[in-house]
Amino acid sequence: DIQMTQSPSSLSASVGDRVTITCRASQSISSYLNWYQQKPGKAPNLLIYSVSKLQSGVPSRFSGSGSGTDFTLTITSLQPEDFATYYCQQGHSTPHSFGQGTKLEI
Amino acid sequence: QVQLQESGPGLVKPSQPLSLTCTVSGGSISSGSFYWSWIRRPAGKGLEWIGRIYTSGSTDYNPSLKSRVTTSVDTSKNQFSLKLSSVTAADAAVYYCARGKWVEDAFDIWGQGTLVTVS
Repeated sequence: DIQMTQSPSSLSASVGDRVTITCRASQSISSYLNWYQQKPGKAPNLLIYSVSKLQSGVPSRFSGSGSGTDFTLTITSLQPEDFATYYCQQGHSTPHSFGQGTKLEI
Repeated sequence: QVQLQESGPGLVKPSQPLSLTCTVSGGSISSGSFYWSWIRRPAGKGLEWIGRIYTSGSTDYNPSLKSRVTTSVDTSKNQFSLKLSSVTAADAAVYYCARGKWVEDAFDIWGQGTLVTVS
């Protein structure tokens, strides 16, 4: 099974900041890397798929990069609604696995 | 716009089976290049992929749960279902159904989630 490791586990930031979250796979997953945002009491929401493709309706301040085993999610100019938990997920092979999450706090 | 909605008992006794159904609305479960998945989030923990089913009936399951998981799809009702046998406290979680995209293997539409308590 492929293990996904995110860092940091939590992150404090302010409105207007630029933040980066990293995700590392235990083996190469090519470009099968997706990012989700989850707010309390809500289902996860797909932000980015295939490393860097923005899901429809997602603001352009979200971006993704990386390849192979190392990936990043960057949020430029944080907005109040961006404070949430972020998960990476690999779709390279089953069982599809998620990172443990990064909680972005004010 | 496609929407997913989970339904089923919120309370299950230990050693009993857990059964959930996901109803797809706003589109046909058989259309497009999608598969249908179950994902859960235990309290205080991260997301765990349970498994997926294609409308052909083909399935993939998480090996950690494979011996206890069964999924099915009913295209006439636009529904798919999860059955998890012999539950324990470790199976208590919010259970989500989600639509997966074939090519990207990303989950683009999710149900709101349903809390299952084991007690």
